[in-house]
Amino acid sequence: KAGVTQTPRYLIKTRGQQVTLSCSPISGHRSVSWYQQTPGQGLQFLFEYFSETQRNKGNFPGRFSGRQFSNSRSEMNVSTLELGDSALYLCASSSSRGTTNEKLFFGSGTQLSVL
Amino acid sequence: QKEVEQNSGPLSVPEGAIASLNCTYSDRGSQSFFWYRQYSGKSPELIMSIYSNGDKEDGRFTAQLNKASQYVSLLIRDSQPSDSATYLCAVKSRNNFNKFYFGSGTKLNVKP
Repeated sequence: KAGVTQTPRYLIKTRGQQVTLSCSPISGHRSVSWYQQTPGQGLQFLFEYFSETQRNKGNFPGRFSGRQFSNSRSEMNVSTLELGDSALYLCASSSSRGTTNEKLFFGSGTQLSVL
Repeated sequence: QKEVEQNSGPLSVPEGAIASLNCTYSDRGSQSFFWYRQYSGKSPELIMSIYSNGDKEDGRFTAQLNKASQYVSLLIRDSQPSDSATYLCAVKSRNNFNKFYFGSGTKLNVKP
């Protein structure tokens, strides 16, 4: 079974630009979550999508948005990039059967550098 | 107060020793607890999950959970240099949605 696939692996952008990151979950998984990882803040929850609906949202500004498609693939968008947005963006998928023992499986991440 | 707290380390142990990693969490209603291993430049990899009080063993790894003390730990027996990584403690929020809180991670160095 293929794992979580994220593209692109690396991105370099300049301040003010926008960026779109893509994530394909494990086959059969319907929940996709996005996390931002920085050396200072660790892993911070951005949002979670299930059946094309955002179920959870973290404490990030509205410049961060996402969506999920009917095939469970998800995209994350960051508009008006700031230097502080430089981070590793991780996508995680889960089967989301609603059980206590739900697990997250991570993709390789997209390393975003904002210059 | 952060939802999940870990000592950032680094924790240095000699090869063959037992490494003990600790984590505390703030939400008393949490029910699901996980340990992830993250090598430098890589994404987190799930290594253990635990849901009830007590110990859970998987090979050289043992996860321990004490809900009364809101404490989770990971023991790595016979530590190997390949175990050198950052270990992340994660706690799933009490509702049924997939919102996980992660600690900042403990860096483990296993010296040959």
